[in-house]
Amino acid sequence: AQSVTQLDSQVPVFEEAPVELRCNYSSSVSVYLFWYVQYPNQGLQLLLKYLSGSTLVESINGFEAEFNKSQTSFHLRKPSVHISDTAEYFCAVSDGPYSSASKIIFGSGTRLSIRP
Amino acid sequence: EAQVTQNPRYLITVTGKKLTVTCSQNMNHEYMSWYRQDPGLGLRQIYYSMNVEVTDKGDVPEGYKVSRKEKRNFPLILESPSPNQTSLYFCASSPPDKYYEQYFGPGTRLTVT
Repeated sequence: AQSVTQLDSQVPVFEEAPVELRCNYSSSVSVYLFWYVQYPNQGLQLLLKYLSGSTLVESINGFEAEFNKSQTSFHLRKPSVHISDTAEYFCAVSDGPYSSASKIIFGSGTRLSIRP
Repeated sequence: EAQVTQNPRYLITVTGKKLTVTCSQNMNHEYMSWYRQDPGLGLRQIYYSMNVEVTDKGDVPEGYKVSRKEKRNFPLILESPSPNQTSLYFCASSPPDKYYEQYFGPGTRLTVT
């Protein structure tokens, strides 16, 4: 069965500093990876996805994640964070994102707190 | 506006008193799902539905029921709530060709005393 591990439950950083949120997944023949973001008092929103093709994927607000098959990782990075990035970030994995029979497994989440 | 709505947003109840949390989406999505979110455990799927009258168990279905009589609605029923069901609950839906692209409701915080 698929599984995903987020190594850090909390990551505090200063505003404008770079950040990396770590995510590792269990190996599988085919894997599809996602990052979701949950802003305070809201539901989750899809931030970015890796389905195939380029191993580096980007979001519209400056985050990027790189699929690394050899290290079974999908770490999320941003070169310079803003106060508005304060949120909880969830890594997720699926074995088949186009099938309703497939499941998405979520990690335990990493709470990103930005200090001014 | 495309959205998933849940009601109520907050609920405090007592052990054994039946309750229903409603979920509705206006995007004509076939797939809907319920999750519970607990600290340190992330999101765990309770039940999901691939279409009207088609539901199936997720990872933690014990103590919950669901129904899908209409495409837009997917209520979560707790017949006899217990304190270990105190949690934050999310309903989500997704389009048929992008099951990974889940649209989440705002959440329902349930406390069972």
